[in-house]
Amino acid sequence: RKEVEQDPGPFNVPEGATVAFNCTYSNSASQSFFWYRQDCRKEPKLLMSVYSSGNEDGRFTAQLNRASQYISLLIRDSKLSDSATYLCVVMDSNYQLIWGAGTKLIIKP
Amino acid sequence: GAVVSQHPSRVICKSGTSVKIECRSLDFQATTMFWYRQFPKKSLMLMATSNEGSKATYEQGVEKDKFLINHASLTLSTLTVTSAHPEDSSFYICSASPDRNNYGYTFGSGTRLTVV
Repeated sequence: RKEVEQDPGPFNVPEGATVAFNCTYSNSASQSFFWYRQDCRKEPKLLMSVYSSGNEDGRFTAQLNRASQYISLLIRDSKLSDSATYLCVVMDSNYQLIWGAGTKLIIKP
Repeated sequence: GAVVSQHPSRVICKSGTSVKIECRSLDFQATTMFWYRQFPKKSLMLMATSNEGSKATYEQGVEKDKFLINHASLTLSTLTVTSAHPEDSSFYICSASPDRNNYGYTFGSGTRLTVV
């Protein structure tokens, strides 16, 4: 079983729609969680950290469920520029980042 | 904000030659830097953790004699791919963070290596 699992997609979504991604992790001792965005042939960029209480940044909302060991990302009112691969990342107790394989999102006009 | 500069962005080399990739933290000191490689449509794979002033820590399956890492200063880490082969062609990315409590790791822009 992979340490961090994501649905690879692609998710084809019309512009303006709401889309949600889920990610599960296997190590219950994981301490920090993040969503990164990666454009084609570019480096990953931090989108947002994920806190137990849930957090929101504009159109983006992240949730963490420690009991079920999953993380979610919700994108509202999706834009064409949201098209990218979204990577779920978990930090273990040794401060090492464990990466999901990413979910590809394609926003269509 | 924290900026990590990686150079070169693209390199094409012949089989058997060596390639050096540099990763610099521009506005902070990084005692630790991380080197990843990424194959097309795959996730990042941690290769090694580069520690300033000491030997790098390599992940299982990564040949330390092939992927030489040097972290001679608090702002520079280098990865040298020695005796490169076509299967070494990949996207190599470094990352660093100003401190352990800063969870926003910053990545270099990556180096696309093609070995012909």
